[in-house]
Amino acid sequence: GAVVSQHPSRVICKSGTSVKIECRSLDFQATTMFWYRQFPKQSLMLMATSNEGSKATYEQGVEKDKFLINHASLTLSTLTVTSAHPEDSSFYICSARRGPGGYTFGSGTRLTVV
Amino acid sequence: AQSVTQPDIHITVSEGASLELRCNYSYGATPYLFWYVQSPGQGLQLLLKYFSGDTLVQGIKGFEAEFKRSQSSFNLRKPSVHWSDAAEYFCAVGAAGGTSYGKLTFGQGTILTVHP
Repeated sequence: GAVVSQHPSRVICKSGTSVKIECRSLDFQATTMFWYRQFPKQSLMLMATSNEGSKATYEQGVEKDKFLINHASLTLSTLTVTSAHPEDSSFYICSARRGPGGYTFGSGTRLTVV
Repeated sequence: AQSVTQPDIHITVSEGASLELRCNYSYGATPYLFWYVQSPGQGLQLLLKYFSGDTLVQGIKGFEAEFKRSQSSFNLRKPSVHWSDAAEYFCAVGAAGGTSYGKLTFGQGTILTVHP
């Protein structure tokens, strides 16, 4: 149980375009999901907390107009990278919380902006 | 604010040897502590976690970790390493409550190389 599906696993887009990444909890409901970013050979940095039915909470330094988060249902959160630039290229990972301390991570999305 | 330090960026061991990965944390109260493993280009897999109770926690794949409050440590151990254990390992701390509830802070990661 507690499976989180993240799609796509890899995406290449042109500069200036937008890319949407989906995070789905397959067998449980997640009122809260988290979005992380991981630069090559670095650790994961929390970008934002996605709350079902309300606005996301962004960490300091994360541009909320650039990284749009929508959590419209109890099983789906989406991250849209708007007007992507090469410096947005990174590995994005979502996680969903199932109960206290029960965090399940998606398999990640490798975004390359050319 | 919570923080995690993994002092070793890269560790190399021989297959069959024992392993210990270090993790030190900073947190004002009793934290939730986690160890995750990540293969290249993949997501994170939970190895084990500590919330309360017995300070020696058993996880998957033969891993264990011991919570030592006096040392603010949560080191990961395995008595005999297999070649398939080669990966990157992340220690993480999570808040059990308050405004940071649910947020995980990760250490820098330790890359494990296993020699045959």
